[in-house]
Amino acid sequence: AQSVTQLDSHVSVSEGTPVLLRCNYSSSYSPSLFWYVQHPNKGLQLLLKYTSAATLVKGINGFEAEFKKSETSFHLTKPSAHMSDAAEYFCVVSRTFGNEKLTFGTGTRLTIIP
Amino acid sequence: DGGITQSPKYLFRKEGQNVTLSCEQNLNHDAMYWYRQDPGQGLRLIYYSQIVNDFQKGDIAEGYSVSREKKESFPLTVTSAQKNPTAFYLCASSIIRVSPGRGNYGYTFGSGTRLTVV
Repeated sequence: AQSVTQLDSHVSVSEGTPVLLRCNYSSSYSPSLFWYVQHPNKGLQLLLKYTSAATLVKGINGFEAEFKKSETSFHLTKPSAHMSDAAEYFCVVSRTFGNEKLTFGTGTRLTIIP
Repeated sequence: DGGITQSPKYLFRKEGQNVTLSCEQNLNHDAMYWYRQDPGQGLRLIYYSQIVNDFQKGDIAEGYSVSREKKESFPLTVTSAQKNPTAFYLCASSIIRVSPGRGNYGYTFGSGTRLTVV
């Protein structure tokens, strides 16, 4: 079994300040973890993924995430927010191999204040 | 360019009607998925298929049906038995890995179909 908890449903930051979106996971097997971004009425775009390689993962648009097994966390960060970062972000867990079903968190809406 | 195409982008259904949402991929992915998205609930899995002519129910399959006659296509039918079909529907595809590691895999999503009951 697997599950994902996104600790904040809504985060607001000022443009140019750091972004932190929090995600905790639960998995009974070796997990793969992902962050996806969704702009309004659009599909989901993969930001980054962890698949049992380096624990610090760098993604697109300056985002990165660190896999911390001891804390069962996979928080998403960005040093400096941009207006175009405003969107919904989903933390996702799946098995590392075999059955590829995804389990989604409920999402965090990121608002950027000019 | 490879990708997933969902159509239509917007769909309106009358009470008691069946409607079919199209999903086509040219990525040569083995697995395909249908998700339903409601505000504040994230994405929930409706059906998935890992091979042609085979598919499995996800977490909320009641009132939906699918087929997988071709590797590239995975249409979803929303039947009249689905009592609350208004939602945003997303199709996705992926390869199926047989060993851990980075690989060259990913979950590709279509741009979605917004279904509204009128």
